[in-house]
Amino acid sequence: AQTVTQSQPEMSVQEAETVTLSCTYDTSESDYYLFWYKQPPSRQMILVIRQEAYKQQNATENRFSVNFQKAAKSFSLKISDSQLGDAAMYFCAYGNKLVFGAGTILRVKS
Amino acid sequence: NAGVTQTPKFQVLKTGQSMTLQCAQDMNHEYMSWYRQDPGMGLRLIHYSVGAGITDQGEVPNGYNVSRSTTEDFPLRLLSAAPSQTSVYFCASSSFLNTEAFFGQGTRLTVV
Repeated sequence: AQTVTQSQPEMSVQEAETVTLSCTYDTSESDYYLFWYKQPPSRQMILVIRQEAYKQQNATENRFSVNFQKAAKSFSLKISDSQLGDAAMYFCAYGNKLVFGAGTILRVKS
Repeated sequence: NAGVTQTPKFQVLKTGQSMTLQCAQDMNHEYMSWYRQDPGMGLRLIHYSVGAGITDQGEVPNGYNVSRSTTEDFPLRLLSAAPSQTSVYFCASSSFLNTEAFFGQGTRLTVV
């Protein structure tokens, strides 16, 4: 079975700085998708970014980018120019049935 | 466009009671699923469906039943609630596998 590990329960970043959230996963499949979801205090789940494993190019969405290392099974999220609105729980997720990691709480300091 | 609608948003049950969490989507998505969210454990898949009339178990199916009689609706039934089922429940849908999943607002369920 696939597993997803987020080793950072909590992270802090200063406003306008850059922060990287870590995610590793375990799978025997060669073709799959990976996702980062954001959950603000409102509890709503919001897709931040998606990566297709067969694409070598790292996905980017405005201030959000990923560092996808397929051989290492690593999928980290980089948030540039952090904003107060980025404060939330971030979940890494794998595959079509969305196996989730435990989440990382991101705090943004003004 | 309503997206994914979950009801109720909050519920308190007594041990042994039954209830149904409702989930409806208006995007004509084939794939629907139910998750539970517990502190420190992320979201875990309970049941999922790839289309009307087709359901399957996820990681934590015990104590829950589902059915999918229409494309739009995917209710989750707790037949005999237990305190271990205290959690936040999310319904999600997507047009097909590996695309963006749209989530409902969640249901906070407390079993006393």
